[in-house]
Order: sequence, then C-alpha cells, then structure tokens
Amino acid sequence: GAVVSQHPSWVICKSGTSVKIECRSLDFQATTMFWYRQFPKQSLMLMATSNEGSKATYEQGVEKDKFLINHASLTLSTLTVTSAHPEDSSFYICSASTGSDTQYFGPGTRLTVL
Amino acid sequence: EDQVTQSPEALRLQEGESSSLNCSYTVSGLRGLFWYRQDPGKGPEFLFTLYSAGEEKEKERLKATLTKKESFLHITAPKPEDSATYLCAVRGEDDKIIFGKGTRLHILP
Repeated sequence: GAVVSQHPSWVICKSGTSVKIECRSLDFQATTMFWYRQFPKQSLMLMATSNEGSKATYEQGVEKDKFLINHASLTLSTLTVTSAHPEDSSFYICSASTGSDTQYFGPGTRLTVL
Repeated sequence: EDQVTQSPEALRLQEGESSSLNCSYTVSGLRGLFWYRQDPGKGPEFLFTLYSAGEEKEKERLKATLTKKESFLHITAPKPEDSATYLCAVRGEDDKIIFGKGTRLHILP
C-alpha cells in the first residue's frame, strides 16, 4: 500500500520551454501533496505544499509563477516548470500524505534543461 | 532556527559489521522525527516515525531510537542490500518538515 507514482521519470527539454510533472497516489487518497527538489548529495528541499482544491503554499524563495502547482483531485498533483532554464535542472520528488505525519514519496523525476 | 544534522556523511562497513547513524536536531516543539532510505535516482522510502524521547522502533536489521536532542538508526549485521542513503527529517510545531543531508551507507560483501 501507499504507492506514489511520478511521470515522467526523466525529461530533457530546451531552455525556455515548459515541463509538466505528474504525481499520483495510486492506492490512497492524498489530502496533502508536497513537492521537493534535490541536488546531488544534498538534502531534499521543500518547494511547496498543496491541499486538494486549494492554492499551494510555497516555501520562501520559490517562485510561484515559475513553479505552477495544481492539486485538482485527491490522487493527482502536477508541477509545471515554466520557461525552464539550465539552473532548474534537478531531481524533483513529490510526496503524498493522508493527513497523518507520514509522507510517501514518488520515485522522482530527473529534469535536464539544455 | 530548526536544523537537522546527520553524521557521518558517509560510512563503509563490512557485511555483518553493526553500527549506528546519528541525526542531531534542533526544533521548536518536535511533532515527529522520520527516517527514510533513499536509493540512487529514486525517491525516499519510509522507514520509521518517532514522536517522543525514549521511543524505539524496529524493522528487520534496523532500529531507530530517539532522545530529546538526537536520533540513532542502529543497523545490526548489515547486508550489501542495506547500502543506501539514510535520511532523517523532523517536523516542528510550525508543521514544516526539514531533512538532513543524509548518511551514505555502503556495505561491503
């Protein structure tokens, strides 16, 4: 139980284009979903928290207009990186929670912006 | 400021050689301490949640313990498949979750 999927698992795009990453909770309803980014040998950095049907709460320093988050249902959240640039290249990981303290993580999406 | 520090950064052990990983934390109003395992190129896998000092949890060769200042992840007689990065995270009274940088564990056969 508690499986979270992400799609795509990796993506390469040109600078200036937008990329959408999907996060799905497959066998449970996620009241809250989280988006993280992780650079090599660094810890996970929380970007934003989203509750189904509400606007996402972004962490300080994260541009909400650049990283668009939509949490349209209890099983799906999307992160769109708009006008991506090479510095946005990273490992993006989502997690989902039923409202308990435990977060279940997706397998991550490797984004490379050329 | 809430903070999580994990040590050592990396640890190499022989198969069967038991050891402990440390997670020191500073947080206002601890509402949970979490341990995760992360394999290269994958998302973290949940291991344990601890809530109060003195609490212990076990799963196979792993045991997590908690004090008011730190948590230990004890690994007993590890096997090569236990090689991974182990992440510690804390949740404070502001509900924010902060991750440490992890300990890269390598078990040699």
